[in-house]
Amino acid sequence: GAVVSQHPSWVICKSGTSVKIECRSLDFQATTMFWYRQFPKQSLMLMATSNEGSKATYEQGVEKDKFLINHASLTLSTLTVTSAHPEDSSFYICSARPLTGSYNEQFFGPGTRLTVL
Amino acid sequence: KQEVTQIPAALSVPEGENLVLNCSFTDSAIYNLQWFRQDPGKGLTSLLLIQSSQREQTSGRLNASLDKSSGRSTLYIAASQPGDSATYLCAVGGQAGTALIFGKGTTLSVSS
Repeated sequence: GAVVSQHPSWVICKSGTSVKIECRSLDFQATTMFWYRQFPKQSLMLMATSNEGSKATYEQGVEKDKFLINHASLTLSTLTVTSAHPEDSSFYICSARPLTGSYNEQFFGPGTRLTVL
Repeated sequence: KQEVTQIPAALSVPEGENLVLNCSFTDSAIYNLQWFRQDPGKGLTSLLLIQSSQREQTSGRLNASLDKSSGRSTLYIAASQPGDSATYLCAVGGQAGTALIFGKGTTLSVSS
């Protein structure tokens, strides 16, 4: 089956620093990748839609200057949390939609837990 | 705007019981519906994917049904086991290639 990886799986950083999270589709090419955020005891909330070679589309209320998304290739999207603060502590999950085959299914990464001190 | 609701929020059952998790959505114009399992602190495991043209999907002890017109889906778990304890998430896709909209989940606890 299609596999999506995320790196790192967890990260702890100091307030004010920037953190980069990578999302890779390992065995397929993805035209579109999605970034979600999940707070404790809450469901997944879409942050942005990332299309290869173009600017990401952000959901209402998500600061594009704070959450920088780059989708430079068909297998890699990165999310950079700039000047992270404790309220950014969350579980970040990406998903990827294959370029070929069924347009229907998305495949999810294992998530990255960010803790900002 | 699509909203997905899952009932109940939490459920505790003894081992061996059959159970039903409910999911409802406000906009019936969906492309697909997917059920996921999430263990504490972990990512998502896809359980079943139902296309909008389908009525149900089955995998082992799991059966998911979809009634688009009424905006409902159910996940049936037969002969529950302690290993089934997890949070179950329902998510709908509005159009091909768009992001999924998730419900808040049902946290299931199966006691031995």
